[in-house]
Amino acid sequence: GAVVSQHPSRVICKSGTSVKIECRSLDFQATTMFWYRQFPKQSLMLMATSNEGSKATYEQGVEKDKFLINHASLTLSTLTVTSAHPEDSSFYICSATEVPGAVYEQYFGPGTRLTVT
Amino acid sequence: AQKVTQAQTEISVVEKEDVTLDCVYETRDTTYYLFWYKQPPSGELVFLIRRNSFDEQNEISGRYSWNFQKSTSSFNFTITASQVVDSAVYFCALSEADNNNDMRFGAGTRLTVKP
Repeated sequence: GAVVSQHPSRVICKSGTSVKIECRSLDFQATTMFWYRQFPKQSLMLMATSNEGSKATYEQGVEKDKFLINHASLTLSTLTVTSAHPEDSSFYICSATEVPGAVYEQYFGPGTRLTVT
Repeated sequence: AQKVTQAQTEISVVEKEDVTLDCVYETRDTTYYLFWYKQPPSGELVFLIRRNSFDEQNEISGRYSWNFQKSTSSFNFTITASQVVDSAVYFCALSEADNNNDMRFGAGTRLTVKP
């Protein structure tokens, strides 16, 4: 089956620093990758959609200068949280699909728990 | 706009009881997909089922079964003879075929199965 990995699984960083989260598709080519955020005891909210080689499309209310997304290859997308603040502490989940833009065919990564102190 | 409602925030049952998790959705599209995911304490989303709007057949997979009823816009999930390992948050989700980049998740139902 299709496998998506994320690294790191947990990260703690100090306020004001930047942190990068990697999302990799291990056994398929991820034409599209999605990034979600999940606050404690809440549902998943889509942050952005990225197609390989293109700029990411951000959902309303998500600051693109704060959450930098790069999808430079068919197997790797990165999310960089710049100048992190405690309110950015959350569970970040990526997903990937071979079919361009097909959210109905996405495979989820295990998530990255970010804590900003 | 599409919307998914999981009215049950938390459910607690005793092991071996049957439990049904409700999901009601709203969409204007005639072609859409419905999903159920399980999120155990580890956080990883576990895919359980995907249903397209043209397939109203109910599905059974072991102790899990799903009841899709377009007439009531519901896609309910039943766990038979629940086990402690079923304890998790369960999410229902909807994506519209004409809106490929938008999957809406319900708020989730936290199921606790006590021994």
